Amino acid sequence: GAVVSQHPSRVICKSGTSVKIECRSLDFQATTMFWYRQFPKQSLMLMATSNEGSKATYEQGVEKDKFLINHASLTLSTLTVTSAHPEDSSFYICSALQGDHRETQYFGPGTRLLVL
Amino acid sequence: GQNIDQPTEMTATEGAIVQINCTYQTSGFNGLFWYQQHAGEAPTFLSYNVLDGLEEKGRFSSFLSRSKGYSYLLLKELQMKDSASYLCAVMDSNYQLIWGAGTKLIIKP
Repeated sequence: GAVVSQHPSRVICKSGTSVKIECRSLDFQATTMFWYRQFPKQSLMLMATSNEGSKATYEQGVEKDKFLINHASLTLSTLTVTSAHPEDSSFYICSALQGDHRETQYFGPGTRLLVL
Repeated sequence: GQNIDQPTEMTATEGAIVQINCTYQTSGFNGLFWYQQHAGEAPTFLSYNVLDGLEEKGRFSSFLSRSKGYSYLLLKELQMKDSASYLCAVMDSNYQLIWGAGTKLIIKP
């Protein structure tokens, strides 16, 4: 099946620093990628939809200036958490869309962010 | 390598019971998740199993056997709104999620 990778798998940073998370589709091209946030045993919360070559679409309540998304190629989307604070500590998961149907999303393994 | 296997698609009748199986081979085990995903929406958390046995939550139950690398999601009294994709995911020893491809469940009247 299709493979999606994320890097880094886990990161610890100091409050006020910025952290970049990469999401790659390894064996297919993805014009659309999604960024989710998950708290323990809770549902994935969609943060934004990343479209190659255009601006990301953010969900209500998600600060676009804080969570910068860049979808520079058909296989790579990056999420940068700027000026991270402890409340940003979470599990960030990306998914990549293969084809046009949203049910054919392939999920990445997640990135665990801890902000001290 | 690590992999999760679940059926691609299943069909069931409204009011009936359906069992969606998931087998896994991962490096380490820190729990197994089941999610429901309707088309165009984010996955919704259904259950988390880390110990062997059956966890019941309303119409949905989830079972885990760690020795067999096996889990199932049991849906009772099926309703049309249960038509969705059901994703099985295992958290490995590095606390990374390994995802199944999802099972598309079609409910017929």
